[in-house]
Amino acid sequence: SQQGEEDPQALSIQEGENATMNCSYKTSINNLQWYRQNSGRGLVHLILIRSNEREKHSGRLRVTLDTSKKSSSLLITASRAADTASYFCVPLGYQKVTFGIGTKLQVIP
Amino acid sequence: GAGVSQSPRYKVTKRGQDVALRCDPISGHVSLYWYRQALGQGPEFLTYFNYEAQQDKSGLPNDRFSAERPEGSISTLTIQRTEQRDSAMYRCASSSQQGLNTEAFFGQGTRLTVV
Repeated sequence: SQQGEEDPQALSIQEGENATMNCSYKTSINNLQWYRQNSGRGLVHLILIRSNEREKHSGRLRVTLDTSKKSSSLLITASRAADTASYFCVPLGYQKVTFGIGTKLQVIP
Repeated sequence: GAGVSQSPRYKVTKRGQDVALRCDPISGHVSLYWYRQALGQGPEFLTYFNYEAQQDKSGLPNDRFSAERPEGSISTLTIQRTEQRDSAMYRCASSSQQGLNTEAFFGQGTRLTVV
């Protein structure tokens, strides 16, 4: 199976600070996606970065991808209490995909 | 519909009973996925369909689990002779393209409790 491993597993920051989450994976990919899951709610797609892209922005989100190191990072700038959630990276290739444990981000107002 | 719809939202069943979980994907979406999520864990892949064809069922835990999508739209995940360890949130997702090379939209899930 193909699975991303998020690091750290938990992160607590003050509102307004930036949050950085990292993801490592082991196999070749077509693209890598980040998802967010708020407590008690569904999974929401945040951003998709293709294997030939190195960086992508969407609002307060910045994603980087380094295929040589098989790693990605998600940066959330100017964090808000509403950003409190679990964040999952999903590396996608040709194999069965399983989500990792995720990074639990807590933004303290 | 506007989003992925799953029913029922909550299901409590007695051990040994069969249950059927329904997923209604976004209209026109080609691919449909089933995941299971235990508390505090990420979603675990179960199976997925492109149109009506089941592409990968290697994530199904055992032969008590089965899924179908006979007309390439609504899908049903069936668990026979339920066991307490089957208790989890079951999530369905759909995407507009084959495979997961585009974003997947998730439903709110069905919380299954086996007592």
